[in-house]
Formats: sequence, C-alpha cells, structure tokens
Amino acid sequence: QQQVKQSPQSLIVQKGGISIINCAYENTAFDYFPWYQQFPGKGPALLIAIRPDVSEKKEGRFTISFNKSAKQFSLHIMDSQPGDSATYFCAARGPYGNKLVFGAGTILRVKS
Amino acid sequence: NAGVTQTPKFRILKIGQSMTLQCTQDMNHNYMYWYRQDPGMGLKLIYYSVGAGITDKGEVPNGYNVSRSTTEDFPLRLELAAPSQTSVYFCASTQGTEQYFGPGTRLTVT
Repeated sequence: QQQVKQSPQSLIVQKGGISIINCAYENTAFDYFPWYQQFPGKGPALLIAIRPDVSEKKEGRFTISFNKSAKQFSLHIMDSQPGDSATYFCAARGPYGNKLVFGAGTILRVKS
Repeated sequence: NAGVTQTPKFRILKIGQSMTLQCTQDMNHNYMYWYRQDPGMGLKLIYYSVGAGITDKGEVPNGYNVSRSTTEDFPLRLELAAPSQTSVYFCASTQGTEQYFGPGTRLTVT
C-alpha cells in the first residue's frame, strides 16, 4: 500500500519530442504528488508537484496529469531538450511525518 | 544560504568498521530525512526526524542509527558496516512540502 510504481525504467526521446513518465499508487491517504529531477552526481531537486484535487498542472514545458479515480499520475515533458536528460522520480506524501514514498526512477535521455 | 550540506562526499569502509555521515541544514527546517539510493530502486527512507530530539524509523532502518540534538544537524551512524550498505546516501530537509536534498555521500563497503 505504500508503494509507488513508476514506468518506464528508461526512455530515449528525440530532441523536440514528448517524454512521458507514468506512476501509479494504491494508498488513497497520499495527499501530495511531486516529481523530482536528478542529474548525475547531484541530489534530487523538486521539478513540479500536484495535489489530488487538481487534474492537471503545467509549468513551462512540464505538465503533471493526475487521475484520482485510477490512482495514476504522469509527467509530460514537451519539446524535450538534451538538457532534460536526467533521472526523474515520482513520489507521494503520506499522512504522517511529511514522508515521501518514491518511485524507482526513470532515466531519460534526449538525443540531439 | 548553503542549504543542505553533507560530508564526506566519498568514503570506503572495510566490513565491520563504523562511521558517521554528517548532515547540516541552515534553513531552520524541522523535518529532516536520510535516504539511500541504489540503482533501479529509487530512494528508500532510512530514518527521519520531525524536530530536535525526535527521530523515527523509515522503511530500511536496520544497521543504522540517528540522533537529532539540534535543529540544524542530523547525523547518520553506521555500525558494523556490511557490503549491503554500499550505496549513495542523501540527507533532505523540509518545512512544508518541498524536500531539499544534499549532494549525497557515496559509500563503498568492501
């Protein structure tokens, strides 16, 4: 019930294309769903986040789509750029201790 | 602000040795966390703290200990290091929703 399942494990996209990463969860007590971006040798950094009362949130080229009934959410990266090449983690916050449960991560490579 | 700092950046330990990973944040955050990151496994929570003097176990606490004597510092102690503790360790802090991560410590146990 505490798991967040993320797919795909890795993704290769052409420059200018759309990158899509999907996550699914079981625990309906999760109340906040962030995406983190991690470059090699660095710590993860918050990219974009959404709450379950909203179906979509857009920030620049990055969009989260949220489907509460299906317990799924996804990250869309429009006009993908080589600088977007990184590992992306979805996460969900549980009700106690402000704790995040992370997905396994997706390694994105954008080919120029 | 330096944010979240971690030392050391790299460390090699022999089996059975002990060490402390240091974590300091200068944002006056109450919540602090230790994660380990293994390839293809995401980030797993080891221990967390909701304030000075309060700590609790996360998903993978075995073989580790923590303390939180001040708001700023949250050291992670490894006793009797084992090869299974080879990993990259991240400390994070938050006061609301966004967790701020340190640069990580890469630990190898041989």
